[in-house]
Amino acid sequence: SAVISQKPSRDICQRGTSLTIQCQVDSQVTMMFWYRQQPGQSLTLIATANQGSEATYESGFVIDKFPISRPNLTFSTLTVSNLSPEDSSIYLCSVRTGAGETQYFGPGTRLLVL
Amino acid sequence: GQQVMQIPQYQHVQEGEDFTTYCNSSTTLSNIQWYKQRPGGHPVFLIQLVKSGEVKKQKRLTFQFGEAKKNSSLHITATQTTDVGTYFCAGRQGGSEKLVFGKGTKLTVNP
Repeated sequence: SAVISQKPSRDICQRGTSLTIQCQVDSQVTMMFWYRQQPGQSLTLIATANQGSEATYESGFVIDKFPISRPNLTFSTLTVSNLSPEDSSIYLCSVRTGAGETQYFGPGTRLLVL
Repeated sequence: GQQVMQIPQYQHVQEGEDFTTYCNSSTTLSNIQWYKQRPGGHPVFLIQLVKSGEVKKQKRLTFQFGEAKKNSSLHITATQTTDVGTYFCAGRQGGSEKLVFGKGTKLTVNP
């Protein structure tokens, strides 16, 4: 398995600002993903973070709102831009290792937008 | 697109009772994964099923993958208060990198 850390673990932000979330993995992984989980809901895939190229976004998510970087095989960032209260959610980094198709999740970042 | 339906949405049991949650996919899956999320926590990987008709056990937990690779179940025998949480199934369609999650079953256990 992979050990995944996320920073910050939680934050309270004002509307109109942006928050950048960092995801660090203790080993090189083949794939990295960003998910959103709204309170009491299931997990929704935002995008797949591709190393060295633009992320692949799911329907309903756009790069201007959720820019993603992945400079190497162990690190990625997700920025949530122009925050509104509707962005209040848990944002989760997830990785898949080369050993198989098992997918692991980081501890999440709890965002509250006022 | 691919959808994964999970039932029930909620389940309340007395400690010692059994519990089962079911997942059904609209398409054939290459594999299915199960996760447990404790209140305030993040999803923790439990198991992956790959083969048609596969059955795997982890102590009191039994996982099954249907013959058609479209459905799966998680059964917990003699629930304990430590089993409290939301159980999610997540399936991947062949050729797709995307893991599609069910809505989860929230289990509460009364001592």
